[in-house]
Amino acid sequence: EAEVAQSPRYKITEKSQAVAFWCDPISGHATLYWYRQILGQGPELLVQFQDESVVDDSQLPKDRFSAERLKGVDSTLKIQPAELGDSAMYLCASSPQTGSESGPYNEQFFGPGTRLTVL
Amino acid sequence: GQNIDQPTEMTATEGAIVQINCTYQTSGFNGLFWYQQHAGEAPTFLSYNVLDGLEEKGRFSSFLSRSKGYSYLLLKELQMKDSASYLCAVPDGNYQLIWGAGTKLIIKP
Repeated sequence: EAEVAQSPRYKITEKSQAVAFWCDPISGHATLYWYRQILGQGPELLVQFQDESVVDDSQLPKDRFSAERLKGVDSTLKIQPAELGDSAMYLCASSPQTGSESGPYNEQFFGPGTRLTVL
Repeated sequence: GQNIDQPTEMTATEGAIVQINCTYQTSGFNGLFWYQQHAGEAPTFLSYNVLDGLEEKGRFSSFLSRSKGYSYLLLKELQMKDSASYLCAVPDGNYQLIWGAGTKLIIKP
């Protein structure tokens, strides 16, 4: 069964250091999402890609966060420098091209996430 | 604006039935999703309702009333493994999901 891959699963870093997370979506999924989730809250969208293009990064703190999906397949999310408040679960999700067989609004398939702890 | 409300936490007994409610306010309506999320894991898809009524999938059923802006997830024959958070989400028209904060369900023996 196809799955969304993420690495690393866990990352501990000190504040002011740089961290990077990687995501490989399900093959053929055009849309890719990066979320941040704090314990007890729902996922918060950071950035949405359609193929290699950014569709929405309005909630991405661009002074320290960056995301890319250069070839429209896998994606990297970077934080530099990390701050204590960045400690959270970072989730990647992918979805088929909009308007596919399953309907106009497709479910999102999530990877296992990266648990980031900033000390 | 768009808003989703769910109870923060619920407790139920193994073998019983529990109903988790979700109310939403959106500018348009494009269906409603329910996801399950075990502690420390990623959300997994449970159901998607776009029409009014009840849809059943084994022990889990999901209900939607578009006129009332209301949905519920019904879990029957509760098992300990059903202890998890249940997230309600609605598409916003830009192929993004607006998420509720989730309901933490605690199952007691």
